[in-house]
Amino acid sequence: SQQGEEDPQALSIQEGENATMNCSYKTSINNLQWYRQNSGRGLVHLILIRSNEREKHSGRLRVTLDTSKKSSSLLITASRAADTASYFCATDGGSYIPTFGRGTSLIVHP
Amino acid sequence: EAQVTQNPRYLITVTGKKLTVTCSQNMNHEYMSWYRQDPGLGLRQIYYSMNVEVTDKGDVPEGYKVSRKEKRNFPLILESPSPNQTSLYFCASSMDSNYGYTFGSGTRLTVV
Repeated sequence: SQQGEEDPQALSIQEGENATMNCSYKTSINNLQWYRQNSGRGLVHLILIRSNEREKHSGRLRVTLDTSKKSSSLLITASRAADTASYFCATDGGSYIPTFGRGTSLIVHP
Repeated sequence: EAQVTQNPRYLITVTGKKLTVTCSQNMNHEYMSWYRQDPGLGLRQIYYSMNVEVTDKGDVPEGYKVSRKEKRNFPLILESPSPNQTSLYFCASSMDSNYGYTFGSGTRLTVV
């Protein structure tokens, strides 16, 4: 079963704005990962955050994790048209093998 | 170049004709996994392997087989494909649970 669920399903913003996506999951995890997928292509790993971490940064990406609420968020600051893609969270449900949600489709208008 | 290679990229086949989608990684990764992606359903895990000769079912294993005889290869076998297996398939690998997965470019399979 799909462990993580992203919200919103779709997000449309203007270039330069920030984009925030959320992920909720059901059971305890060892880590949570975020991936990006450009249309029909393979997923690209963005960030992995462990269950004992609360926040992680990578360039314009900021990920937070709240294990008490079983939720995570991905913030993309100063978005660019090239950020247009689908974003997926993946949780391991304690098994170390990630399962993916349905994704958030982000469109950044130039 | 570190990568996961899937073949073929595109395949159209007929119902019942056995096929194999190959997956190979050159990063000496322990973990390998197969997913299928369908519109509105996201990625669903078919099978995974945490080591040579060790494979486990994911969420949607029916109609699929896998094998892991060598660390680098993890082929996906459809013994008798059916139209509901028409999908985009991804193979992925990872060093271990502390690292993200590297994905292949995908195999678009159509079963008619």
